[in-house]
Amino acid sequence: DQQVKQNSPSLSVQEGRISILNCDYTNSMFDYFLWYKKYPAEGPTFLISISSIKDKNEDGRFTVFLNKSAKHLSLHIVPSQPGDSAVYFCAASSTGFQKLVFGTGTRLLVSP
Amino acid sequence: EPEVTQTPSHQVTQMGQEVILRCVPISNHLYFYWYRQILGQKVEFLVSFYNNEISEKSEIFDDQFSVERPDGSNFTLKIRSTKLEDSAMYFCASSGGSGGGGGTDTQYFGPGTRLTVL
Repeated sequence: DQQVKQNSPSLSVQEGRISILNCDYTNSMFDYFLWYKKYPAEGPTFLISISSIKDKNEDGRFTVFLNKSAKHLSLHIVPSQPGDSAVYFCAASSTGFQKLVFGTGTRLLVSP
Repeated sequence: EPEVTQTPSHQVTQMGQEVILRCVPISNHLYFYWYRQILGQKVEFLVSFYNNEISEKSEIFDDQFSVERPDGSNFTLKIRSTKLEDSAMYFCASSGGSGGGGGTDTQYFGPGTRLTVL
């Protein structure tokens, strides 16, 4: 099941710079997208979401961009901080269905 | 801030034994979910629960699995006869229901129970 893909298993960024995490999906029925952050031995923590009727949603240092024609979304973190170091999961859902479909995650390392 | 809690944090069991994983969802939420993550793999949906019944389940959620909301606060996942391949992190989640349990409904996750089947 490769409906949601995160092709970069890891990303290293310096503190203060921009982190860009990418996610691609194949199911055109997906209409809600979420980003979760996960530390070891903890559950996924909700970060930000976007509905398919929008192409951008911003919350503080986090911005999610959605390109429906390309079936691509990205999470921008500006400025990146060492505390942002974690695994980031992209997830998608469809109206009328409860399940979230997750990507494989991208491990972000922000170095001081 | 309200959060989802799960107990135990780690459960070790022998193959063939029954286990019950427990969750306390966020108190005013209406939809409840179980997911699992086998080591090195994706987080996978197992089941969703609304209004005291299963509303959606995956092909993983076979007859060995069951869910229950035994009272107003707890939500449990039972695995009747555990197999080695059931070893995984099991995450409970809940959502408010404003998006009908799907669509725009954000799911909030607990810290997980690590199940080890020997």
